[in-house]
Amino acid sequence: NAGVMQNPRHLVRRRGQEARLRCSPMKGHSHVYWYRQLPEEGLKFMVYLQKENIIDESGMPKERFSAEFPKEGPSILRIQQVVRGDSAAYFCASSPPGDLNTEAFFGQGTRLTVV
Amino acid sequence: AQSVAQPEDQVNVAEGNPLTVKCTYSVSGNPYLFWYVQYPNRGLQFLLKYITGDNLVKGSYGFEAEFNKSQTSFHLKKPSALVSDSALYFCAVRDTGTGTYKYIFGTGTRLKVLA
Repeated sequence: NAGVMQNPRHLVRRRGQEARLRCSPMKGHSHVYWYRQLPEEGLKFMVYLQKENIIDESGMPKERFSAEFPKEGPSILRIQQVVRGDSAAYFCASSPPGDLNTEAFFGQGTRLTVV
Repeated sequence: AQSVAQPEDQVNVAEGNPLTVKCTYSVSGNPYLFWYVQYPNRGLQFLLKYITGDNLVKGSYGFEAEFNKSQTSFHLKKPSALVSDSALYFCAVRDTGTGTYKYIFGTGTRLKVLA
């Protein structure tokens, strides 16, 4: 059973470009969470999605950031018109439906560098 | 609002000595509590969790954690530290009272075990 898969592992974008980060949850998991980790800082919650639904986006910046988790395919975190301050590690986690007792399983992260 | 606090940015301990990494939480419902470890340039790995039952929870790699409801704490412990335990440790809570059930993480504590 493959774990949470994130790609790419490293992404370099010039200021003003778009960044697309992909996350495939573990098999059987329908809940996906995105977190951002700045250098030497903790994990900041961004968004919680279930298939075709955004459950909680309270941590998402109001502009330039969006996320989706379609019925088919991976979850996508999209950052438009990237700026230097978007440089960070972005982690995706997944959990199964209907089980609040379980831990979240994390991917290896995508390290975004904006130049 | 739910939150997790890790009051120590860094903990230093000599190899072979016991270690404690502190965590306190604030939630509106019953807390589901978790500890994760992060090694450099990696994702988060699950260590242990408290859902209900015994206040002392045992997890991976010899770690354990003690849930204290009156002090709203969930400190991570290990009787004898290893140099290989040096890493970044995160405490997390899943709030069952708010309805979104997202995982909220503390800011992390860097553990350094000195040989």
